[in-house]
Amino acid sequence: GAVVSQHPSWVICKSGTSVKIECRSLDFQATTMFWYRQFPKQSLMLMATSNEGSKATYEQGVEKDKFLINHASLTLSTLTVTSAHPEDSSFYICSAGRDRGLNEQFFGPGTRLTVL
Amino acid sequence: LAKTTQPISMDSYEGQEVNITCSHNNIATNDYITWYQQFPSQGPRFIIQGYKTKVTNEVASLFIPADRKSSTLSLPRVSLSDTAVYYCLVGDIDSTGGFKTIFGAGTRLFVKA
Repeated sequence: GAVVSQHPSWVICKSGTSVKIECRSLDFQATTMFWYRQFPKQSLMLMATSNEGSKATYEQGVEKDKFLINHASLTLSTLTVTSAHPEDSSFYICSAGRDRGLNEQFFGPGTRLTVL
Repeated sequence: LAKTTQPISMDSYEGQEVNITCSHNNIATNDYITWYQQFPSQGPRFIIQGYKTKVTNEVASLFIPADRKSSTLSLPRVSLSDTAVYYCLVGDIDSTGGFKTIFGAGTRLFVKA
């Protein structure tokens, strides 16, 4: 149980285009989902926390207009990278929690974004 | 903001026991300590979680002293496939009252034959 999927697993796009990444909790309802970015040889950096039905909370330094997060249902959150540029190329990982009161997260497999 | 400190890297040989210690001096009363394993180009995988004393599961043990300012992940008899990055995390409360998790630098474990 507690499986989180991401789609696509990898994507290549041209500079200036927008890319949407989906994060789904397959067998549980996720009250909270988290989005991370990871550059090569570095740790995961938390970008934002999204709660179903409310606006996402962005970490300091993360542009909310560039990284649009939608958590429309208890099983789906999406991250849209708008007007992507080569510096946005990274590994994007989502995680989902079943209970906001519990320190328990389940991670997706990640999405490799390459912007040409 | 709870923060963790771990060794940057460790080397070991197959069959040895590996202990990775994490410092979390500012851990809050309600925080649990969680360890994750990450392979390249994959999402982190849960290993073990504990609050105090000792926790053991089929893959690892977690030792937490009474003051909870540190914890030690113990991997018995490691194999080459245990080569990965190991992250120690403690919970944090965000501005809305929910948990969020901040990753530290992690420990890069390299297991040699």
